[in-house]
Amino acid sequence: DADVTQTPRNRITKTGKRIMLECSQTKGHDRMYWYRQDPGLGLRLIYYSFDVKDINKGEISDGYSVSRQAQAKFSLSLESAIPNQTALYFCATSVGGSGANVLTFGAGSRLTVL
Amino acid sequence: AQSVTQPDIHITVSEGASLELRCNYSYGATPYLFWYVQSPGQGLQLLLKYFSGDTLVQGIKGFEAEFKRSQSSFNLRKPSVHWSDAAEYFCAVGRIGFQKLVFGTGTRLLVSP
Repeated sequence: DADVTQTPRNRITKTGKRIMLECSQTKGHDRMYWYRQDPGLGLRLIYYSFDVKDINKGEISDGYSVSRQAQAKFSLSLESAIPNQTALYFCATSVGGSGANVLTFGAGSRLTVL
Repeated sequence: AQSVTQPDIHITVSEGASLELRCNYSYGATPYLFWYVQSPGQGLQLLLKYFSGDTLVQGIKGFEAEFKRSQSSFNLRKPSVHWSDAAEYFCAVGRIGFQKLVFGTGTRLLVSP
């Protein structure tokens, strides 16, 4: 099994629908992240969590929310999806300290909003 | 603010030829620098990292990168490219304590026969 598992891998939805992307990890890492990848824009940070009680906004958090249900689980929600949220979403994990910058990524969740 | 520039959107290299992917960063302090690779349909995988010390760092799959502070660069190199190296490559910059790892826009490597 993968160290970082994302579900679903692909999802097509309609404008206005609520969508949840889930992420679970077996790395035992404290820190978890959600990134969004768009062609030509690279990866941009949506939210990050340093532990279950610590959640922080990234650079593009508007329109998104997250929940850290446990150390190993971090979900991303789109309360009312819109077409410009069509993108590839990545969950990542890391340890703290000097290793915090070394990320382990999931395989990605491709979301299409019609 | 931190920023990373990868000036080449696409690069095509013949199999067996050498490769250099460019990365320039803007950062006020000593950066942590990374190269990640994304194969089609996959997540990102760490190729190599620079935290401190020797400015030439070795990574997986035969890749290396050199940190040049005077040029604010961290270019990725490989002496002989294999067809399996075709992927998208991302440079990233961070720092101790981590607030945000900033990624470049990526360079897509195509390998021709």
